Amino acid sequence: QITLNESGPTLVEPTQTLTLTCTLTGSSLSTARVNLGWIRQPPGKALEWLALIYWDDDKRYSPSLKTRLSITKDTSKNQVVLIMTNMDPVDTATYYCAHLTAGTYSVPGSRFDYWGQGMLVTVSS
Amino acid sequence: DIQMTQSPSSLSASVGDRVTITCRASQSINRNLNWYQQRPGKAPKLLIYGASSLQSGVPSRFSGSGSGTDFTLTISSLQPEDFATYYCQQSVSTPPEYTFGQGTKLEIK
Repeated sequence: QITLNESGPTLVEPTQTLTLTCTLTGSSLSTARVNLGWIRQPPGKALEWLALIYWDDDKRYSPSLKTRLSITKDTSKNQVVLIMTNMDPVDTATYYCAHLTAGTYSVPGSRFDYWGQGMLVTVSS
Repeated sequence: DIQMTQSPSSLSASVGDRVTITCRASQSINRNLNWYQQRPGKAPKLLIYGASSLQSGVPSRFSGSGSGTDFTLTISSLQPEDFATYYCQQSVSTPPEYTFGQGTKLEIK
C-alpha cells in the first residue's frame, strides 16, 4: 500500500523560498511508472496542480507558476522535493503530495490515486 | 490552457436523493477526466477515472459518464458520508497539465 508523507516548514516569510519533501513508502521511486506530483489548496478554495516528476525523471510544471517551481527526486531516500521561490501570502495553502497513475489508450485518465495528508504552509511576516 | 468548469458550485440535497454534477472542458479532452471527493479537513479521494471507471473500493452508487467536453458525476442514492466537495480534473493537455475544476459543494438539505 502506497503512503505519502509531506514535511517542511509550516511558516515562511514573504520572499523566502519554500522547500517541501514528500516521502514515499510502499513503493520505490526507482520503480518504473512511479510518478509523484504536488497539488495545493488555499483555505476555502479549489485544488491547484503545481508540478509532477515522472518515473523517467521528466518534469512538468503549472504554466502559471513555472518560473518559481522546481521538482526533484532522491531515489536513495525515496523522496521528492518541491522548491517554490519568492513566497507571498497568497501562497498560503495546504500542500499535498500525490501519486499519479498514468492513463493509457485503453484506460484513459492520468489520475492522482494516492494522496498524502497534506500540510498547511502559512506565508506571513 | 484547458479550463474546467463545474456546475453547480453548490448543491443542497437529502439522503436518498439522486444527484448529478456537471464538468465542462474548454476543449475536447476525450475521456481523460477524473472525479475526486474531498471531505472537510481531508485529502481528496479518487472516485472515477477515465470518465467512467470506478476506482477500487468506491461504492457503486457513484458513476461517471461523458466524453469530449461534457461530463457528469452521478450519485444514485445519497448517503450521509457523501456530503462533501467534488472536483473534476483533466489530464489530456500536451504538454501535460492536470487542471482541476473549481469544485461543487454538496450540502445536506
